[in-house]
Amino acid sequence: DAEITQSPRHKITETGRQVTLACHQTWNHNNMFWYRQDLGHGLRLIHYSYGVQDTNKGEVSDGYSVSRSNTEDLPLTLESAASSQTSVYFCASSTSGALNEQFFGPGTRLTVL
Amino acid sequence: GNSVTQMEGPVTLSEEAFLTINCTYTATGYPSLFWYVQYPGEGLQLLLKATKADDKGSNKGFEATYRKETTSFHLEKGSVQVSDSAVYFCALRGSGGSNYKLTFGKGTLLTVNP
Repeated sequence: DAEITQSPRHKITETGRQVTLACHQTWNHNNMFWYRQDLGHGLRLIHYSYGVQDTNKGEVSDGYSVSRSNTEDLPLTLESAASSQTSVYFCASSTSGALNEQFFGPGTRLTVL
Repeated sequence: GNSVTQMEGPVTLSEEAFLTINCTYTATGYPSLFWYVQYPGEGLQLLLKATKADDKGSNKGFEATYRKETTSFHLEKGSVQVSDSAVYFCALRGSGGSNYKLTFGKGTLLTVNP
């Protein structure tokens, strides 16, 4: 069955380190998204991509970067991790059609010490 | 810009009680509206959607009607079950053919006690 996976599921790192969170989908969806979920803020969009080589900033993109070299993957990189980036991160994907349902991965819980 | 406001809760109900979670939105044009549900330890999954005014989305006993005159999309269920305990998110997709981003509300935690 088609799916969307994230790895690792849990990560502890130190302030200043570079961290990359992986997202892989097998639906062949054009659109992919990264969100962070924090208590009191709901889900906030970090970056998104509408196809290979396309990337766009969301509302909370500072300190994060993405690259899209193929349809299946959109890795999220924290260039220099900060304690404020401790959060749960969700990747999602969708088609470009009118239905536009976003399918979410299981999430990565990141702790920055 | 687009925004979604939903009651933040938490909401605690007894089994078989009636549920309403309010959601209002601000957007230009004709957005599509969604309710997503997040069960403990999982990602979000689509619960229901409506793409135009007066549409009613429904799934698993949950319903929501797209009310353009009140810019609302309230979630209702007539008789909740313990298994409905989860966080519920209201979301919108702005109008425009190439805009696939979703804007989410802050989520409402629902706990249903037996």
